[in-house]
Amino acid sequence: QKEVEQDPGPLSVPEGAIVSLNCTYSNSAFQYFMWYRQYSRKGPELLMYTYSSGNKEDGRFTAQVDKSSKYISLFIRDSQPSDSATYLCAMIRHSGFQKLVFGTGTRLLVSP
Amino acid sequence: EAGVTQFPSHSVIEKGQTVTLRCDPISGHDNLYWYRRVMGKEIKFLLHFVKESKQDESGMPNNRFLAERTGGTYSTLKVQPAELEDSGVYFCASSNTPGQGRETQYFGPGTRLLVL
Repeated sequence: QKEVEQDPGPLSVPEGAIVSLNCTYSNSAFQYFMWYRQYSRKGPELLMYTYSSGNKEDGRFTAQVDKSSKYISLFIRDSQPSDSATYLCAMIRHSGFQKLVFGTGTRLLVSP
Repeated sequence: EAGVTQFPSHSVIEKGQTVTLRCDPISGHDNLYWYRRVMGKEIKFLLHFVKESKQDESGMPNNRFLAERTGGTYSTLKVQPAELEDSGVYFCASSNTPGQGRETQYFGPGTRLLVL
């Protein structure tokens, strides 16, 4: 069983829609949660970083963590064609330098 | 500031050959990571350097893979001999000392390896 599950998509939405991307995980030791965005032929780029449960907002992006359900979400408001990319969730067990554990990524397509 | 760079961007080799991938981290970053994405799968950790020392190599698949970071600057990942299942995208990431207890790993664009 994978440690982190993520629907690969693709998820197609019209411009302006609210997008919801999700991951579930099995290991309750994970405490730090990240969302990376990856454009085609590029490396992953950190988008959001959250600790434990709760919400974090940054512009049009909101990251949500529910540790009791082992479920994390990324919401994108007023989606734009430039948001079309693969979104990867990642997590680590504690702070400090260590390996990231990734989901498979969800491919998002925002049409004008 | 230059980001993480990787060379080559693409490599096509035949089974049994040797390939060496190179990663140049962001200047001043002591931590360097190698990850790999096999088609259809998630990005998986291979190993972690702190300066020139291997901190964690638990993700290295087998002894056909050899990673080095001489002098604590750039790193190389050699696959010898390459097998078909080694095909994938190899990413390098680097990070420095977190100022607020939070590490950010910066990724390079990856090297796409195809073993025929």
